Amino acid sequence: NAGVIQTPRHKVTGKGQEATLWCEPISGHSAVFWYRQTIVQGLEFLTYFRNQAPIDDSGMPKERFSAQMPNQSHSTLKIQSTQPQDSAVYLCASSRTGGAREQYFGPGTRLTVL
Amino acid sequence: GQQVKQSSPSLTVQEGGISILNCDYENDMFDYFAWYKKYPDNSPTLLISVRSNVDKREDGRLTVFLNKSGKHFSLHITASQPEDTAVYLCAAGGEGTGSKLSFGKGAKLTVSP
Repeated sequence: NAGVIQTPRHKVTGKGQEATLWCEPISGHSAVFWYRQTIVQGLEFLTYFRNQAPIDDSGMPKERFSAQMPNQSHSTLKIQSTQPQDSAVYLCASSRTGGAREQYFGPGTRLTVL
Repeated sequence: GQQVKQSSPSLTVQEGGISILNCDYENDMFDYFAWYKKYPDNSPTLLISVRSNVDKREDGRLTVFLNKSGKHFSLHITASQPEDTAVYLCAAGGEGTGSKLSFGKGAKLTVSP
């Protein structure tokens, strides 16, 4: 059984460019979470889907960041007009039923904005 | 503000000893508590978790202790081994907080041979 899959593993963009990050949750898991990890802030929650519906996006920067889950097998996080401060490791996690319980993380996408 | 705090950023333990990692939280609504292990350049891996209706859970060499009145939980690793060397992240969440997990910033455990 494959774990959470994230692509690409590394992405380098120039300032002002768009970045799209992909996540495939564990098969059968109904909840998908996106987190951002930096040295300074640690692991920060961004947004959460359950059964493909957006449930909580309280951690998402209001401008430039958006997330979607068009089907049960993948979710995307899009960052428009990337800035150097967006550089981080973006982690996707899934859980079987959602809620604050066992979440399993993917390998992450390291985004570097030059 | 930081809802989950790990006050000691690093810990060194001799092989065979007991490693104790601590975590404090602020939100009374939290009812799920977990510990994750993270190697450099890898994502966090769930080690053990506990819900608020119990105050202790054991799994092999790992034990989580939960003190709800003190808003504190800890991870004990007995018979610590060099391969336990990693960063340990505590996390907490609850249905009343929107289901997301709040993480501590991590504590680096080094087990020396």
